[in-house]
Amino acid sequence: DADVTQTPRNRITKTGKRIMLECSQTKGHDRMYWYRQDPGLGLRLIYYSFDVKDINKGEISDGYSVSRQAQAKFSLSLESAIPNQTALYFCATSEPSSYNEQFFGPGTRLTVL
Amino acid sequence: DQQVKQNSPSLSVQEGRISILNCDYTNSMFDYFLWYKKYPAEGPTFLISISSIKDKNEDGRFTVFLNKSAKHLSLHIVPSQPGDSAVYFCAATKYNFNKFYFGSGTKLNVKP
Repeated sequence: DADVTQTPRNRITKTGKRIMLECSQTKGHDRMYWYRQDPGLGLRLIYYSFDVKDINKGEISDGYSVSRQAQAKFSLSLESAIPNQTALYFCATSEPSSYNEQFFGPGTRLTVL
Repeated sequence: DQQVKQNSPSLSVQEGRISILNCDYTNSMFDYFLWYKKYPAEGPTFLISISSIKDKNEDGRFTVFLNKSAKHLSLHIVPSQPGDSAVYFCAATKYNFNKFYFGSGTKLNVKP
């Protein structure tokens, strides 16, 4: 089984709808991240969390919110989806220390019409 | 403004030859660099890293070179294999910075 899972894998929604993307991990890592990937822009950090009580904004947090329900679960919400939030979204985990690599989930492809 | 840049969106190489992927960064405070590999419909996976106290790190067919004065790093794959065909991202961070900055990726195609 995959160490980092994301649901759903694909989602099409309409402008103005609220949508939640979920991430679960079995690696036992405290640190979890949400990124979005856009063509030509690479991966950009939306939010990150270093434990259940620690939530931090990344580069592009506007229009998004997160919830860290447990060490293993980190959800990303779009309160009112807009077309420019159409992207590939990745969840990642890592062990404490800036010098440890991140482990990524398979991604969620989100389309906002 | 992007702090990590990969200026080549794509690269095509013949099997058995060397692949060289390049990455530039602007923040001189970065002291740790990573390369990730991404196949379609999968998340990125860690490939190799290098600390700023080194100028080279090697792992099998993969070698990363760091030129701090030029703020440039490169990934060499020798020999290239068709299974290496993927998108490669470079990333940079600084100790206690708590964030990673990624380049836009280079799509490598290794032709049989």
